[in-house]
Formats: sequence, C-alpha cells, structure tokens
Amino acid sequence: DIVMTQTPLSSPVTLGQPASISCRSSQSLVHSDGNTYLSWLQQRPGQPPRLLIYRISNRFSGVPDRFSGSGAGTDFTLKISRVEAEDVGVYYCMQATQFPHSFGQGTKLEIK
Amino acid sequence: EVQLVESGGGLVQPGGSLTLSCVASGFMFSAYWMSWVRQAPGKGLEWVASIKEDGSEKYYVDSVKGRFAISRDNAKNSLYLQMNSLKGEDTSMYYCVRGLYGSSWGQGTLVTVSS
Repeated sequence: DIVMTQTPLSSPVTLGQPASISCRSSQSLVHSDGNTYLSWLQQRPGQPPRLLIYRISNRFSGVPDRFSGSGAGTDFTLKISRVEAEDVGVYYCMQATQFPHSFGQGTKLEIK
Repeated sequence: EVQLVESGGGLVQPGGSLTLSCVASGFMFSAYWMSWVRQAPGKGLEWVASIKEDGSEKYYVDSVKGRFAISRDNAKNSLYLQMNSLKGEDTSMYYCVRGLYGSSWGQGTLVTVSS
C-alpha cells in the first residue's frame, strides 16, 4: 500500500504571506497510463473536504489562482502565494494511482 | 450544480448493520467512479471503497473487506454502502465522493457504533 506523508503537520502563517505544504509518497505515483493521480484537498472547519488541485498541478473549477501544485514521482508541493483568512483549515494530499487510495495525515493551516 | 446527499447514518450497536445511501444530481452519475471516504471524530480522512462507472470493479480498504459492500444503481443516480459486523472503530462521518480525484463531496452522514 502507498503511504502518504505530509510536512509540516501544522503551519502558522501571517496573512498575505506565502505557505507551502509538502507531500511524499512511499512509491512513485506515476500510473501505467502515464498520469500521476495526486490531488490536494482543503477542509475548512465544520465543512466537507473540497478539491483544490488534481493530477499534481491542475486547479479545479473555482479555485483561486493563489493555489498551485507542483512535483513529480514521489515528491509534491502545494503552495499558497498569499494566505487569506478563508484559507484556514486542514489540507490533505491524496493519491488515486493505486488501490487502496490513501491520504496524507493532514496539515493544519492557522493564522499567526 | 453538482449535489451529493448522503443518508442512512445513525447509532448502531457493535455487530449491527447499516446501509448508507447517496443520491447524486447535477452530473452524469453513470460516467464517474464513485467512492466512500470516512473521517473519525477529530481525525483525518480514510478512503473506504470505490466502484467503477458500470459497477464492474470494486475496491475496499483492508479493514472493511468482507464486512462492507459498495454498490450503485445508475438508473436511480444512487450509491450505496452496506455495512455489516460494525465495530467501534467504524464510528465516523461517511462521505460520498465523486470521481477518482475527489471532485465533489457530500455533507456526510454520521455513523456511531456503540452499545
């Protein structure tokens, strides 16, 4: 099974400053079809998760362009260029390359 | 607008059974893989099961194999999770999720396993 490891687990950030979250997989997420099924999700307090980024770097519909994803193989990063108050919540990476699908532990983004 | 509405959660005793349902609207249900993902109180996300567009393939996390069964009825735009032999560690919010990327999530239905 693929294990997803996120760092840091907690990230206090000043409003308007950038934030970065890393996600590492225990094996390559490149699928036999050539795609890499790595997504990033945001879960605001009291809400279900919502998709931000799919296939490493593709922003989902309605997601602000301050969110970006990058990486390849086993190492991936979510960046927020300028953190806003509405970005508070927990961020998860998720792999859907291989069953069982799996999530990182989550990174809690807080405002300093 | 894409909507996923779960139902069927509740309080059940250990060893009991429950069936969760999810009704989808706003998209072509039969064109998407569908999944169940759960979240224990105060914890992270755990993928539970997925089913292919036509129901021909199903996958489960090891901890529920043999106890849970995922199914779908494309004519009714509905996804199901039959849960048997429930344990305390199955206590969670259960989310219905569209697609392999997790492109849409329902609000969830809470399952509590306790005597």
